[in-house]
Amino acid sequence: QVQLVQSGAEVKKPGASVKVSCKASHYTFTSYGISWVRQAPGQGLEWMGWITPYNENTHYALKFQGRVTMTTDTSTSTAYMELRSLRSDDTAVYYCARDYTLDYWGQGTLVTVSS
Amino acid sequence: EIVLTQSPDFQSVTPKEKVTIICRASQSIGSSLHWYQQKPDQSPNLLIQYASQSLSGVPSRFSGSGYGTDFTLTINSLEAEDAATYYCHQSSIFPYTFGQGTKLEIK
Repeated sequence: QVQLVQSGAEVKKPGASVKVSCKASHYTFTSYGISWVRQAPGQGLEWMGWITPYNENTHYALKFQGRVTMTTDTSTSTAYMELRSLRSDDTAVYYCARDYTLDYWGQGTLVTVSS
Repeated sequence: EIVLTQSPDFQSVTPKEKVTIICRASQSIGSSLHWYQQKPDQSPNLLIQYASQSLSGVPSRFSGSGYGTDFTLTINSLEAEDAATYYCHQSSIFPYTFGQGTKLEIK
């Protein structure tokens, strides 16, 4: 069955960068886009951006533009989300999810930003 | 960007009750509206896609309706396991967005 497996938890200092990976399996990776979604502790879901793996076309939420980069590696069916200039309010669980409907989700990656 | 507003934010309900959650979009999004259920410490789970399309493996008590700007998620005959937070999400126009969530508590 379709799986999205994300990299492990990260602890970062303010100002640092983090790169989260999302490895896809059991479907044709280039046929479906990937969204990245985050959820701060006790808060709702926040859409961060989208990437189309076959041409790496991206769309980012306005609040993350200039600070986020989404990429893919089609040879390993892996999507990446890099967030730079981290602040304490970037502490959240970061998810990848497949397609327009977000029909499959990764297990989430906790990123903690703390000095 | 398109703003999705859910109502209510919170609802306390009894088993077997019928629940209706509303999602209103700030502009027309056609039928590109999807519903998710999220339980604590779990990833969200897709319940309804494209406003009203049911999905294999999702209990039949969950249904969706609507088009344009007004959408509804209905849970018929609520069960204890339906305690969760429910979100709507639009994939019509970038940037995609989520509603703020509706938390259902089972009495």
